[in-house]
Parts: sequence; C-alpha cells; structure tokens
Amino acid sequence: DAKTTQPPSMDCAEGRAANLPCNHSTISGNEYVYWYRQIHSQGPQYIIHGLKNNETNEMASLIITEDRKSSTLILPHATLRDTAVYYCIVRFHRGSGNTGKLIFGQGTTLQVKP
Amino acid sequence: KAGVTQTPRYLIKTRGQQVTLSCSPISGHRSVSWYQQTPGQGLQFLFEYFSETQRNKGNFPGRFSGRQFSNSRSEMNVSTLELGDSALYLCASSWWTSGAENTDTQYFGPGTRLTVL
Repeated sequence: DAKTTQPPSMDCAEGRAANLPCNHSTISGNEYVYWYRQIHSQGPQYIIHGLKNNETNEMASLIITEDRKSSTLILPHATLRDTAVYYCIVRFHRGSGNTGKLIFGQGTTLQVKP
Repeated sequence: KAGVTQTPRYLIKTRGQQVTLSCSPISGHRSVSWYQQTPGQGLQFLFEYFSETQRNKGNFPGRFSGRQFSNSRSEMNVSTLELGDSALYLCASSWWTSGAENTDTQYFGPGTRLTVL
C-alpha cells in the first residue's frame, strides 16, 4: 500500500499557483519525498524530491513541514500543459537493504482550467 | 542526453502468445526497473535490475520475467499471455550505484502499450 494520502482531484486556474498537498504521517527519518506526474498515457515524469529541506527547481517547489508528516508541491504558474495526475511517493534510496521500487498511490488529478 | 527509450511503443498479441519488451536506459544509468500500469491496479512494480542481476521482484506470476545485459539494456518477457496482461509497461532507469545513495532518482520511458486479444 502507498504510504501517502492525496486528494483525488483538484482544479486550478491557468496562470495561478497550484498547491498539491500530500500527507505522509508514517514517514521514516531517511525516507525521501518524491513527486512525479503523468500526463495521459505517457510515462511518469520526475518533478522534484526532498528529504528535510524545501527544494526548488525549474519545474516546481517542494515544501516539507518541519515534522515531515506532510508536504506541498507548488507549481508557481500553472498552464494547461500541467494538467496531469500528480503522484507523491515516500521512499528510501537504495542501499542498506532498501529496494528502489516506487509505490504509487492513486495520485491527484490536477485540472488546469483557462 | 537522450531519455529512456522503449520498444515497441504499441503491441497487439493474442492469448497464449509470448511477448518481449525492450528498454534502453539513459546513457550511464546502470539500474533499470519495470512497472505495469492498468486502470484497475494502477502502477505496480515488476522487477529491478542492477549490474545484470535482478535485485527485487514484485508480486507477479512467474510468467513475467526479465533480464539485463552488460550494456544495461533490459528486456522483459511475458509468456502465455492472458487478457489481463493488457497494460502499459513502463521502464525506469537510475544513476544509482552502491555507495551513492543520493543519486536514486528514477526516470521513466514512454512505455509500451500491450493489448492482448
């Protein structure tokens, strides 16, 4: 079972920030938070990941709460092309007996509207 | 740098046949994982390979198998196809190597859409 909880769907107006929440209350100290998105029938696209600190890249920002039990993915200026299913995944990196497999939940379907 | 490539992109087979799908990882990536995506079960892990060795396997029957070659390219095989094997099969590669645990981001290919009739 996935170790994260996400709302099944969200809407966002084009040009506005999209804030996608994720709960991971059972996260372990060495588990990372990863975000992927999947546009219809394509392979999942890596967006961003973090361990404790907030992270930002050219696609998005990741805000992780201090207790690490939840996080928010922020798309600063959503466009129609950002319409996709967004997956929040918590995982260990490989090593020390951990596997690399990703456990996907149902994700959040983000609909960006004009 | 080219991304993960998968061939073929689309495939139609009949029940009882077997199929082989191919995955070429991003140049320099040595770890390859396979996933199955269906509307009912979502994205599920099949297996992962590193240095030509299967490191982990998901909960799939023995009809599903795979291998990795010395150049890190990977193939997966499904024998005795069933209707329920119709799915999008995804391959992901990673730069991960033992001792470099901060480099384990997996990048996915476009997938192979398998239809079993």
